[in-house]
Amino acid sequence: DAKTTQPPSMDCAEGRAANLPCNHSTISGNEYVYWYRQIHSQGPQYIIHGLKNNETNEMASLIITEDRKSSTLILPHATLRDTAVYYCIVRAYNNNDMRFGAGTRLTVKP
Amino acid sequence: GAVVSQHPSRVICKSGTSVKIECRSLDFQATTMFWYRQFPKQSLMLMATSNEGSKATYEQGVEKDKFLINHASLTLSTLTVTSAHPEDSSFYICSARRASGSPGELFFGEGSRLTVL
Repeated sequence: DAKTTQPPSMDCAEGRAANLPCNHSTISGNEYVYWYRQIHSQGPQYIIHGLKNNETNEMASLIITEDRKSSTLILPHATLRDTAVYYCIVRAYNNNDMRFGAGTRLTVKP
Repeated sequence: GAVVSQHPSRVICKSGTSVKIECRSLDFQATTMFWYRQFPKQSLMLMATSNEGSKATYEQGVEKDKFLINHASLTLSTLTVTSAHPEDSSFYICSARRASGSPGELFFGEGSRLTVL
C-alpha cells in the first residue's frame, strides 16, 4: 500500500471548515483513499473514501487532486466534537487489512 | 450502521494471568476480523488478521503463542493475552469487515484497555 504523509497537528475554529491534507504521491491506479478518525480512547470511525472523483457524505467531503497524489478531507462546519486524530490511508480495494499511519491531530477550538 | 462491540472495555489483571477480549459484530456477519494494539500517543498497529474458521495471520513481531486469536463464528473473534506482563498494557481494538460490502469499510469496536499490574 502507498505511504501517506499528514501534518502531525492542526487547529480549527469552531464553526469554520477544517481542511485536512494528505499526501500520497506514490499511490497506484487501483488504490483508494480512506479517511478514518479516532476520538480519544475510542475505536476509529470510518469517514469517507474515494478513488479519483470527489466524494461527499453527511460527515465530510473528500477532494482528490487530478493526479491523485494528494487529497483533502473537509469538515464543512467543525464542532468541538470533531476534535480527534484523523487518519488518511491508501490501500488497494481488494486488500484485506487497514494499516494506520501517524495521522493528524485536529483540535477544534471555541 | 454496522456495530462492532468489544468486551470488556477495561480490564486490570495481575502479571502472569491470562485475559480474554471478545469482539462481536452485532448486526452483520464478519468473515474477517482484525486486531490492533495502540500504545499511548501512538497510532494503531495491526497485530493479526483473523478469518472465520481458520488460523489467524500474525504480523511480524507479534507472538502468536502469547496473543491467541480465535474466530470460531462469523460474529465473534477473541483475543487472549496469555501470561500478561506490564508491557502488554495497551489499548486493544478489533475491527470487522462485512461478508458483503466494501473491503475498505471496516467497522471498529470501542476498544479494550488492558492494564497489567
